[in-house]
Amino acid sequence: AQKVTQAQTEISVVEKEDVTLDCVYETRDTTYYLFWYKQPPSGELVFLIRRNSFDEQNEISGRYSWNFQKSTSSFNFTITASQVVDSAVYFCAHEYNFNKFYFGSGTKLNVKP
Amino acid sequence: DAMVIQNPRYQVTQFGKPVTLSCSQTLNHNVMYWYQQKSSQAPKLLFHYYDKDFNNEADTPDNFQSRRPNTSFCFLDIRSPGLGDAAMYLCATSGRDGIYEAFFGQGTRLTVV
Repeated sequence: AQKVTQAQTEISVVEKEDVTLDCVYETRDTTYYLFWYKQPPSGELVFLIRRNSFDEQNEISGRYSWNFQKSTSSFNFTITASQVVDSAVYFCAHEYNFNKFYFGSGTKLNVKP
Repeated sequence: DAMVIQNPRYQVTQFGKPVTLSCSQTLNHNVMYWYQQKSSQAPKLLFHYYDKDFNNEADTPDNFQSRRPNTSFCFLDIRSPGLGDAAMYLCATSGRDGIYEAFFGQGTRLTVV
């Protein structure tokens, strides 16, 4: 069965600090996709990244970076030099059965000025 | 411009009174989803449409129904809302085969009184 664990319920940092959000997944699929979404207070889930199981290259996009390690079934997300606008709930998700997304419980990030 | 539009943003309904939430998309995506998100929890998939094919999750209560009259529109009907159905309802779409990210609407927050 698919499972996504985000052990950090809530994290608080001061602006400009780096922060890493953890995600550990379980799957029996050999081919799968992992995602990160951001949910600001407005409620809409905003897509951040998609990673397929065959691509373990780390990815950097501006202040965001992702570390995918199949050996530990982890897909961690780091924000460098955090800003107040980064405050949101962040969800890690696993795509299975070609159309379904299973979300972790989310990590609420508070960035204080 | 919003690509997945949910109406209304806020809905108050009476206990037991049927209510319909609507979702429209301008992306021409094949797959449309309905998720339920209760406070501080992960979005939970209720059902999805792959084109016109309806796929219900095993644990989705019978109280929840859905209609997709055409590619652009999808409706969530709650036949007899209970207090436990108060939640944010998120509509999402994705391209064929689910290998693309899901695009979410801003959600409808349902209150049951």
